[in-house]
Amino acid sequence: EPEVTQTPSHQVTQMGQEVILRCVPISNHLYFYWYRQILGQKVEFLVSFYNNEISEKSEIFDDQFSVERPDGSNFTLKIRSTKLEDSAMYFCASTMRGRGYGYTFGSGTRLTVV
Amino acid sequence: AQKITQTQPGMFVQEKEAVTLDCTYDTSDPSYGLFWYKQPSSGEMIFLIYQGSYDQQNATEGRYSLNFQKARKSANLVISASQLGDSAMYFCAMREGGMEGAQKLVFGQGTRLTINP
Repeated sequence: EPEVTQTPSHQVTQMGQEVILRCVPISNHLYFYWYRQILGQKVEFLVSFYNNEISEKSEIFDDQFSVERPDGSNFTLKIRSTKLEDSAMYFCASTMRGRGYGYTFGSGTRLTVV
Repeated sequence: AQKITQTQPGMFVQEKEAVTLDCTYDTSDPSYGLFWYKQPSSGEMIFLIYQGSYDQQNATEGRYSLNFQKARKSANLVISASQLGDSAMYFCAMREGGMEGAQKLVFGQGTRLTINP
């Protein structure tokens, strides 16, 4: 079964450093998403991406965040200057036609900012 | 206002019993979809079941079924014959809007299910 692949699975970074989280969505999917889950809390939407541009972003997705699809397969989330409160699990997801059905999540990147 | 409400922070069930996890939602959009995901301690989000707002029948996937009561705006997950491996966090989520375009999911707070032997 096709998978959404995320790397790395864990990342520890110093406060103020830049991090890039990587995702390889399912190959025939067109819509891509990032979500965040602070430990013990619910999953929150960050941003959606289609046709090489942001479709929607949440209040969480401020100027410190950016997304990019640098080639035909990768989808990245960059946090420019990490803060302690950015520590969370970050999930990438993709869908085929934007219907929401078949919403496939990656296994997540656990980011720890120290 | 919460769009997705899961009122059971934790549930404890004996192995082999059926369990119902509650989810109520709030939307004025006639077109929406409801999802259930399982999150084991390893952290990944595992898709369990989906119900579209226009689907006539309740969704079923193996031991999982979704008790969809549209008028009451509830979408409870039923797990039949629970197993020890069902112990995990369970999230209800909703997407709003029509069939096209990028669509975000809104999640509930989750229910931690523990299956006792």
